[in-house]
Amino acid sequence: GAVVSQHPSWVICKSGTSVKIECRSLDFQATTMFWYRQFPKQSLMLMATSNEGSKATYEQGVEKDKFLINHASLTLSTLTVTSAHPEDSSFYICSAPQTSGRLRDEQFFGPGTRLTVL
Amino acid sequence: SQQGEEDPQALSIQEGENATMNCSYKTSINNLQWYRQNSGRGLVHLILIRSNEREKHSGRLRVTLDTSKKSSSLLITASRAADTASYFCATANSGNTPLVFGKGTRLSVIA
Repeated sequence: GAVVSQHPSWVICKSGTSVKIECRSLDFQATTMFWYRQFPKQSLMLMATSNEGSKATYEQGVEKDKFLINHASLTLSTLTVTSAHPEDSSFYICSAPQTSGRLRDEQFFGPGTRLTVL
Repeated sequence: SQQGEEDPQALSIQEGENATMNCSYKTSINNLQWYRQNSGRGLVHLILIRSNEREKHSGRLRVTLDTSKKSSSLLITASRAADTASYFCATANSGNTPLVFGKGTRLSVIA
């Protein structure tokens, strides 16, 4: 299969601090990755598309200056929540699509990051 | 935005019974994927079915796709307590586009 990792798996921070979340494709390259947010007992909502070598594309209503995305390499995308506030507390999860081979078009998700802002 | 609805929102069955979950979507798609999520965890990929396919099997899982009705179903046969989780369908317009998720079905399998 294809494995996507995320780090950290959980983080607790004070209001006003910034938090960086890493998403890595471990055994395949991903020119594109996606960041989602999930509130308790709800479905996943797309936040942004992370593109290697170019700017991220944000969904309507997602502040690009608050949620900074950097796709540093073909296996790493980072999401930085800047000046976090309690309303940013959520489960953040990334995904990467397989673009070739037997698993072509399947999207694989990281284990998620639980962010709690006090 | 959500692609559509999943039905039922919650399902409780006895171990050994079959569980059927349905998913509807609104726009044309390239593929539809089913995922399982245990509480507070990441998503596990179950099956991808393409728009030109009607049925796929994987172990105890059977997925159907009816593009004329814009709907899909996931059947889990001979359910086990370990199948207890939330199940989501998600659609994609092409291979490299983000997935649009349904609201999910919470399945409880009682031993």
